[in-house]
Amino acid sequence: NAGVMQNPRHLVRRRGQEARLRCSPMKGHSHVYWYRQLPEEGLKFMVYLQKENIIDESGMPKERFSAEFPKEGPSILRIQQVVRGDSAAYFCASSPFRARELFFGEGSRLTVL
Amino acid sequence: GENVEQHPSTLSVQEGDSAVIKCTYSDSASNYFPWYKQELGKRPQLIIDIRSNVGEKKDQRIAVTLNKTAKHFSLHITETQPEDSAVYFCAAGKNTGNQFYFGTGTSLTVIP
Repeated sequence: NAGVMQNPRHLVRRRGQEARLRCSPMKGHSHVYWYRQLPEEGLKFMVYLQKENIIDESGMPKERFSAEFPKEGPSILRIQQVVRGDSAAYFCASSPFRARELFFGEGSRLTVL
Repeated sequence: GENVEQHPSTLSVQEGDSAVIKCTYSDSASNYFPWYKQELGKRPQLIIDIRSNVGEKKDQRIAVTLNKTAKHFSLHITETQPEDSAVYFCAAGKNTGNQFYFGTGTSLTVIP
């Protein structure tokens, strides 16, 4: 059973471009969470999704950020018109049940030039 | 919402000594407390967790204690080894909630 798969692992974008991060949860997991981690900081919740539904997006900036988890395919975190402050590691985690143990992916490290 | 505080932010111990990391939480409804270990450049991995109906849980050299009244929980690592060096995160959540709230992390260094 493959773990949580994230790609790309590293992404470089210039200011104003779009970043698209993908996450395939573990097989059988229908709950997906996105967290952001700044250097030497903790994990900050962004959004919680189930298949085709956004359950809680209270941690996600209202502008430029969006997330989806379609019926088929990976979950996608999309950042439009990136700024330098968006540079961070973005971790996806999945769980078989709501609010139970999280299994993290290796993260996608976004660098905005 | 929940607020999780974690101390210390950095911790250095000699190999073989014990390490203790402490966390406090604010929401008395939180009932699930996992601990994650993150090695440099790697994913956070669950190492142990505890639920609010239990006061202590142990797994080999790792133990976690929970004091619901005081709203704090601690991670204890005994007989530390160099491979224990990593950043450790505590978290709090509830089974009716939508997320886990993480502490800011403790960077543990075990000196050989």
